[in-house]
Amino acid sequence: EVQLVQSGAEVKKSGESLTISCQTSGYRFISYWIGWVRLMPGKGLQCTAMIFPGDSDTRYDPSFQGQVTITADKSITTAYLQWNSLKASDTGMYYCVRRRDGAFDIWGQGTMVTVSS
Amino acid sequence: QSVLTQPPSASGTPGQRVTISCSGSSSNIGSTSVNWYQHLPGTAPKLLIHSNDQRPSGVPDRFSGSKSGTSASLAISGLQSEDEADYYCAAWDDSLDGPVFGGGTKLTVL
Repeated sequence: EVQLVQSGAEVKKSGESLTISCQTSGYRFISYWIGWVRLMPGKGLQCTAMIFPGDSDTRYDPSFQGQVTITADKSITTAYLQWNSLKASDTGMYYCVRRRDGAFDIWGQGTMVTVSS
Repeated sequence: QSVLTQPPSASGTPGQRVTISCSGSSSNIGSTSVNWYQHLPGTAPKLLIHSNDQRPSGVPDRFSGSKSGTSASLAISGLQSEDEADYYCAAWDDSLDGPVFGGGTKLTVL
């Protein structure tokens, strides 16, 4: 069974750093793009970044370029999303997703990130 | 403001057929396939339709998708109370070189 298991909820202050994780299992990690999709109330879904673990190729949404960093560790089939300096506007639910045949077919359970100013 | 445009809300009574529209442009829907996601409260979103009109295993055939030009639609027939959820369309955007979503449509079953 394909599974994406994310790290737990985080409560941080503006300016702090944060890394959230997505541990995968049940499929060939290096063969599929994996990404992070943010859900904000009233603003819908937005894909922040994606990475292809096979060669570490990355794609960033222009709104998130320079604001977050996506990485992947092939040895433990885990993807990460990192912030160096959080802002209140980073608050939201972040879902880890696998991309297959042009669609996000598997979703993690979500990681709630709350940033206070 | 989302790249793809959906109505913010839709509603229907049990048993009815409802449709949700998704409008884009030549750089996204006009040149790539459309996917639809269902987001039930308190759960992770789920892939409902991929490649314009294909249902993943386990999705009831009450759900169907279509695409024409730069627009797409999701139809739900035989509406049930458990269909009350947020629905999002998505597609790859060649200009942005990344996936884009609609703003979501909140479906209410009256």
